Amino acid sequence: DIQLTQSPSFLSASVGDRVTIPCRASQGISSYLAWYQQKPGKAPNLLIYAASTLQNGVPSRFSGSGSGTEFTLTISGLQPEDSATYYCQQVHSYPFTFGPGTKVDIK
Amino acid sequence: QVQLAESGGGVVQPGGSLRLSCVASGFNFSDSGMHWVRQAPGKGLEWMAFIRYDGRDKYYADSVKGRFTISRDNSKNTLFLQMNSLRSEDTAVFYCAKAEELLWFGESFDYWGQGTLVTVSS
Repeated sequence: DIQLTQSPSFLSASVGDRVTIPCRASQGISSYLAWYQQKPGKAPNLLIYAASTLQNGVPSRFSGSGSGTEFTLTISGLQPEDSATYYCQQVHSYPFTFGPGTKVDIK
Repeated sequence: QVQLAESGGGVVQPGGSLRLSCVASGFNFSDSGMHWVRQAPGKGLEWMAFIRYDGRDKYYADSVKGRFTISRDNSKNTLFLQMNSLRSEDTAVFYCAKAEELLWFGESFDYWGQGTLVTVSS
């Protein structure tokens, strides 16, 4: 099975900051990676698919990059409503797996 | 608009069974693969199962293989998850999610239901 790691598990940043959230796969997955945002008590929301394609309706301050084993979600200009947990997910092969998540807090 | 509505959660004793449903609307259900994803209290997301649009292919996480069965009724726009031999570690919110197949690089889970809570406890 493909394992995803996300470190740190928690980060705190100020409004307007540029935030980068890494995700590493245990083996190469090309660009078979998605990013989700989840707020407490809510279902996850798709942000990015195919590693770098922005889902319709998602603000352009979110962007994704990377391929192979190293990926990054970037929030350019953090907003208060971006306080949430962010998960990466590989869709290269079953079983599909999620990373453990990075919780982003606003200072 | 696309809507997914799970139901069937509740409290069940260890070793018991439960059947979850997910009613879909706003898209052509019979053309879409579907997934179940769960989240234990305070924990991360765990992919559970997938079923192809026509029901012919199914995949499961190792943690539930042989105990859980995914199925669908395209005539009723409904996805199911039959859960048997439930354990305390199966306690979680269960989400259904629509699979959006991509031209390149697999698929995405583009719509999710609100989730239904399953509690396994004596």
